[in-house]
Amino acid sequence: AQSVTQLDSQVPVFEEAPVELRCNYSSSVSVYLFWYVQYPNQGLQLLLKYLSGSTLVESINGFEAEFNKSQTSFHLRKPSVHISDTAEYFCAVTYNFNKFYFGSGTKLNVKP
Amino acid sequence: DVKVTQSSRYLVKRTGEKVFLECVQDMDHENMFWYRQDPGLGLRLIYFSYDVKMKEKGDIPEGYSVSREKKERFSLILESASTNQTSMYLCASSPLLGTETSYEQYFGPGTRLTVT
Repeated sequence: AQSVTQLDSQVPVFEEAPVELRCNYSSSVSVYLFWYVQYPNQGLQLLLKYLSGSTLVESINGFEAEFNKSQTSFHLRKPSVHISDTAEYFCAVTYNFNKFYFGSGTKLNVKP
Repeated sequence: DVKVTQSSRYLVKRTGEKVFLECVQDMDHENMFWYRQDPGLGLRLIYFSYDVKMKEKGDIPEGYSVSREKKERFSLILESASTNQTSMYLCASSPLLGTETSYEQYFGPGTRLTVT
């Protein structure tokens, strides 16, 4: 069975500070990994994904995530956050694209 | 742009009522999904469908049923609503395997259902 663990339910951070949102997964087979973002009162939007190739993937708004197979992790990072990054972030995995497994979410609260 | 729409943003129903949540996507996607989102629990899959009239149970199907009579529409049905079904319901769609973009799910804005 697959599972996804997001260790931090809330992460408060000041504007322009770096941030890391942690995601670990458990799976005995190869997986594909995703980060989704949910802004207040909206649905989820894809932020970035790892399918194959380079283990470091980037989004258009400055986030990046690194797939670490040995540590079964896919942590999300940003070197300098903005107020507009305040949202809830979900890590997700799938191995067959019929079922996606989501973490419990991390609320990022960026303070001025 | 892919668009997934849900019939209501907010819904209030009484215990025992039959509730229909509708989801429509305009990108000709084969796969459609229903999740519920609860604080601290993330998203949990209720049902998914990979073709018209086809459906498979997700992780928490009890108390729910689904209908997919047309490719673009996927309905979630609560036969007899209960207070423990108060939640945010999210619909998603994705195309079949074959292209890189097929690995992404596209989500609707959600329906916040309150059962009193």
